[in-house]
Formats: sequence, C-alpha cells, structure tokens
Amino acid sequence: GNSVTQMEGPVTLSEEAFLTINCTYTATGYPSLFWYVQYPGEGLQLLLKATKADDKGSNKGFEATYRKETTSFHLEKGSVQVSDSAVYFCALSDQGGGSNYKLTFGKGTLLTVNP
Amino acid sequence: EAGVVQSPRYKIIEKKQPVAFWCNPISGHNTLYWYLQNLGQGPELLIRYENEEAVDDSQLPKDRFSAERLKGVDSTLKIQPAELGDSAVYLCASSLRRGLYEQYFGPGTRLTVT
Repeated sequence: GNSVTQMEGPVTLSEEAFLTINCTYTATGYPSLFWYVQYPGEGLQLLLKATKADDKGSNKGFEATYRKETTSFHLEKGSVQVSDSAVYFCALSDQGGGSNYKLTFGKGTLLTVNP
Repeated sequence: EAGVVQSPRYKIIEKKQPVAFWCNPISGHNTLYWYLQNLGQGPELLIRYENEEAVDDSQLPKDRFSAERLKGVDSTLKIQPAELGDSAVYLCASSLRRGLYEQYFGPGTRLTVT
C-alpha cells in the first residue's frame, strides 16, 4: 500500500535559518504530492503541491520538488519566520482508479521558530 | 467565504457513552471526508461522501461508528459506545468534487474518553 515517511521532529530553528523537512514516499503508479500545514488551533491547510515528476510546488517562500528517482518531496524554505511555527504534513494522493484519490499522510513534523 | 465548520471543538465523555460530531462543509462542495487523527500521527480517512452517498467507508469501524450526510450537505459522525482508544481529533474536510481538488479542513473536534 501507499505510505509517507517524513523526518521526525520537533525541529527548532532560529529566525532566518534555512529549513528542510525530508519526505519520502512509497506508492504504485504516479501519485500527486502535497505539503499541508497546521497552525495551532486551526485545521490543515494546503501549502503546496506537485502532480508529476520534476514539478516544483511553491507558496509563501516554501518549495518542494517532486523527485521520482528518489521518491522524495522535501520541503525547503530559505529563511524561516516565527510565524512559520506549525506542524507540517507530507501527503500523497493516488491518481484515481480504485483508490479514488485517497490522501495518505505522514506523521507530521513540528517546527518551532524562535526569534 | 466561510470555511468548514465543526462542532463541538472539544468533548469529554466517559467510556461506553455515545458521542456525535457535526460538520458543515463549504457551500457547493460535493465531497465530504471524515478523518481520524491520533496524537503524533497524520490524519487517516474514515469515510468519504459524494453528495449523500458514502463511497469509501472501508476504514470506518462499523461496529461502533456510523455516519450520515442527509441531503448531501451537513454530516454527522457518531460513536456508540465510545472506548478509551477513541480519544483523538476528528477532522472533517470538503472538496469541490472527487479528484485532485484541494481538500479544505475544519479545525477538528478533540475527543477525550475517560
């Protein structure tokens, strides 16, 4: 079956530091890949996505590139802010068929950014 | 535009008691999802509705869990009777329709079973 493995947290950084959260996946076929963010007390929000190999998703200074050869979708940001403190989830979705676009999530990585 | 609304936000009950969660999706969204999120884990799908039809409920423990989506809008998820292991966050999400459409999540209901 499908699975997503992301680096365990918590991750603690100082403001303006570089961020990488690793994510690798196992899936049949050609999944779409997502990063969701959950701020304290709020629901999950889609941060960025990529639907095919070599696509780069980007939003709010965050980027992730769909690497089929390494089955990875690592999240990066060049300079984090205190407001980026949240839990980040990597997820994949099968491209339809019997799985019906079901989302499979990783366990989440808690990021804390200190001023 | 209002987001996905869930209530209650928090619920504490004793084991063996029933409990119900309510979800109001974004207006016009045909697809509705219920997820279970255990502490330190990512969300796991319990059930998916296309309009009023449950089209994927393979992960729903049907001996104690039930769900309905009357008229294809609001949805209710029920547990009867609750067990200690049901303590978790129950998330509702909606999307425009089935497919690679963005899922919008509600804030969740945090259930504590004592």
